[in-house]
Amino acid sequence: AQSVSQHNHHVILSEAASLELGCNYSYGGTVNLFWYVQYPGQHLQLLLKYFSGDPLVKGIKGFEAEFIKSKFSFNLRKPSVQWSDTAEYFCAVRSNFGNEKLTFGTGTRLTIIP
Amino acid sequence: GAVVSQHPSRVICKSGTSVKIECRSLDFQATTMFWYRQFPKKSLMLMATSNEGSKATYEQGVEKDKFLINHASLTLSTLTVTSAHPEDSSFYICSARDRTANPSTDTQYFGPGTRLTVL
Repeated sequence: AQSVSQHNHHVILSEAASLELGCNYSYGGTVNLFWYVQYPGQHLQLLLKYFSGDPLVKGIKGFEAEFIKSKFSFNLRKPSVQWSDTAEYFCAVRSNFGNEKLTFGTGTRLTIIP
Repeated sequence: GAVVSQHPSRVICKSGTSVKIECRSLDFQATTMFWYRQFPKKSLMLMATSNEGSKATYEQGVEKDKFLINHASLTLSTLTVTSAHPEDSSFYICSARDRTANPSTDTQYFGPGTRLTVL
């Protein structure tokens, strides 16, 4: 069975700081990887996804993530955060076999201080 | 992007009553819909997967007789919490996959969630 670990439970940064949120997964086969964001009071939104090809994927709002297969990692990055990035961030993995379910990490709460 | 709606957004009910939550894909047809439960400061826990026209597949530990799922059409799935109790209070989120997308590359779209409070 697949699993996802997000080691940072709560991250507090000042505006303009650089961000990196860790995500590690365990699964023996090929996977699809996702980062979702949940702004306060809002539904989950897709930030970016990796299926194949270039391991550095760019998403919305200036976010990017790098898939490092040897490390089973898919860390999320943003060079300069804004107050509006305050939200909960979830990493998720899905087996690359059609209708397999998404497995979510426990989430990282990001608080940006103006 | 694709839109998934849920209704109601909030519901308060008495212990022992049943509550139905609707999930609709508004601009696409969903072969598969998922129901999650989100606990405070915790991740999303998948409860069940439903495919249109067939029985839902429940995750281990989820009572299928308590959480009834119906996927009557390609745009509608319902979750009914039967004989609700205070411990069923939670945030329930549905998600849908686009039928026309390549299964190996498509994305799940999430509804806004339903906050259930059982008194």
